[in-house]
Amino acid sequence: EAQVTQNPRYLITVTGKKLTVTCSQNMNHEYMSWYRQDPGLGLRQIYYSMNVEVTDKGDVPEGYKVSRKEKRNFPLILESPSPNQTSLYFCASSLFGGTRTGELFFGEGSRLTVL
Amino acid sequence: EDQVTQSPEALRLQEGESSSLNCSYTVSGLRGLFWYRQDPGKGPEFLFTLYSAGEEKEKERLKATLTKKESFLHITAPKPEDSATYLCAVHRLLTGGGNKLTFGTGTQLKVEL
Repeated sequence: EAQVTQNPRYLITVTGKKLTVTCSQNMNHEYMSWYRQDPGLGLRQIYYSMNVEVTDKGDVPEGYKVSRKEKRNFPLILESPSPNQTSLYFCASSLFGGTRTGELFFGEGSRLTVL
Repeated sequence: EDQVTQSPEALRLQEGESSSLNCSYTVSGLRGLFWYRQDPGKGPEFLFTLYSAGEEKEKERLKATLTKKESFLHITAPKPEDSATYLCAVHRLLTGGGNKLTFGTGTQLKVEL
């Protein structure tokens, strides 16, 4: 089954405790991206990757890091989480580049709470 | 700055009562406009891509249309299972070759029996 798998799905942590949200896709997609979704603000892009070893900042990259060492995996790292990073996070991937980059396949989401 | 505004924020319909959702946008050099459906607790699900003014796409009870300033998602004779939040997003290329996708905040649709 084609899917984007995120872990953990739910996490409560404390300020400053480093955490990683993993994302893996089994569709051989080149494009992968991370979003956060907050009430009233919609989906905002954190980082994206057009291919292995190629990553770029989205609209809200502050406080986050990513890496793309393998095509299938695109982990999101919060080095020192703060309460304003409490949000619902989505990983997404796309087979198509260029004009079809926006035809995204989303994971189920990871709800993160930072106390 | 790219802007995407969806209206209404919420819409309640009776089963069979057709209506339209609006997505107005301001973007320089639109490469594509995308519609998604999002069910509670789930990730968005891709529905349509529209590239140029005048283009239309259909899927079951949904039809998406595009003009130079806005897109409409028409829902004909909706059923309760069409209840979801509908998102639109616009895509453009950045100077230097990067991509920018900007999402609207969505329209929450509820279809009642």
